[in-house]
Amino acid sequence: DAGVIQSPRHEVTEMGQEVTLRCKPISGHNSLFWYRQTMMRGLELLIYFNNNVPIDDSGMPEDRFSAKMPNASFSTLKIQPSEPRDSAVYFCASSSGQGAFNEQFFGPGTRLTVL
Amino acid sequence: AQSVTQLDSQVPVFEEAPVELRCNYSSSVSVYLFWYVQYPNQGLQLLLKYLSGSTLVESINGFEAEFNKSQTSFHLRKPSVHISDTAEYFCAVSDRSSGYALNFGKGTSLLVTP
Repeated sequence: DAGVIQSPRHEVTEMGQEVTLRCKPISGHNSLFWYRQTMMRGLELLIYFNNNVPIDDSGMPEDRFSAKMPNASFSTLKIQPSEPRDSAVYFCASSSGQGAFNEQFFGPGTRLTVL
Repeated sequence: AQSVTQLDSQVPVFEEAPVELRCNYSSSVSVYLFWYVQYPNQGLQLLLKYLSGSTLVESINGFEAEFNKSQTSFHLRKPSVHISDTAEYFCAVSDRSSGYALNFGKGTSLLVTP
């Protein structure tokens, strides 16, 4: 299996532009997580899905952020409009279930820079 | 809500020396504890986890961690480190109330030098 796939790996954009990050979970996994990593705040959970349904989006910073999972093999995280403080590494992770016994497998991340 | 404190942001150590990376958590309910490792420019990988049973858990590459409920700690140890252990290490906690989502500490950067 190729593991969790994220694209793009790097994204540089200007303030005000729309940014879309993409994630393909491991086949057969039914839980998907979006995390953000910054030096100041460390790793933060933004949102997670179970069976394509958003379960908890309390970590989404503000209305500029939105996430979708239209099917079991694809998810997007969109920022519109983007701001310099959104610069971070965004990780997607998937697991085969919602319980603690199910290991989360992380993708390589998308490094976002907003100028 | 649970939270995780990693007391050391950086730990420099010489090759073949022992190391301990500290992790404390706060939670009022039963918790599950994890250590993840992040090598440069990569995603996180699970190193080891405590879910139930024996309080001492081990990884395949020589790390171990002990769940100490009375001290609310889950420190990571290795008796002899290698250069290749240089990485960022994250302690994480989850419980039923959070839907088993992981709550991470800020991370500890382990730097192993010859």
